Amino acid sequence: SQQGEEDPQALSIQEGENATMNCSYKTSINNLQWYRQNSGRGLVHLILIRSNEREKHSGRLRVTLDTSKKSSSLLITASRAADTASYFCATSRGGFKTIFGAGTRLFVKA
Amino acid sequence: DAGITQSPRYKITETGRQVTLMCHQTWSHSYMFWYRQDLGHGLRLIYYSAAADITDKGEVPDGYVVSRSKTENFPLTLESATRSQTSVYFCASIAPTNTGELFFGEGSRLTVL
Repeated sequence: SQQGEEDPQALSIQEGENATMNCSYKTSINNLQWYRQNSGRGLVHLILIRSNEREKHSGRLRVTLDTSKKSSSLLITASRAADTASYFCATSRGGFKTIFGAGTRLFVKA
Repeated sequence: DAGITQSPRYKITETGRQVTLMCHQTWSHSYMFWYRQDLGHGLRLIYYSAAADITDKGEVPDGYVVSRSKTENFPLTLESATRSQTSVYFCASIAPTNTGELFFGEGSRLTVL
């Protein structure tokens, strides 16, 4: 069974707008990660946030984590057409076993 | 080239045939993983390996076999392919920096007729 569930399943925005994707999970975690997948390619790691962190930034990415609600959000600011991809959250409880959600498909219109 | 290489990238086979998907990494990472990706399910973990000769089941191991005789190779075998195993298969490894970041191959798209 999936640990993470992303919301929305699909998102279409204009270039320059912000994109927000949400992830909910079911059990306690050690860390939560976000990955990006371009069409026909493998996944690429974007950012990791540990369970004792609440917010993290990396360039135009901002990730928040609320362990009390078992949820995370990924914000992409000033989106570009090149940000068009699928985005996945992934959680680890311990060790290196990582479980992925079903993903959010983001389409950024130029 | 450094990284994870999967082969073949595309494979068409028939029901009942045995298929092996290869995965090779150049980093000597201890942990390696096999995931399958299907529409609506995201990525599901099939098997993983903590080191050579150490493997363990993931979420959906039925119908698959893995081996890890060398650290750099982690082949996935479908002993008798079924149509439900039509999917895109991804191999991944984790860096030993304890960040948990997974490095993925480009995937192997398998169609079972």
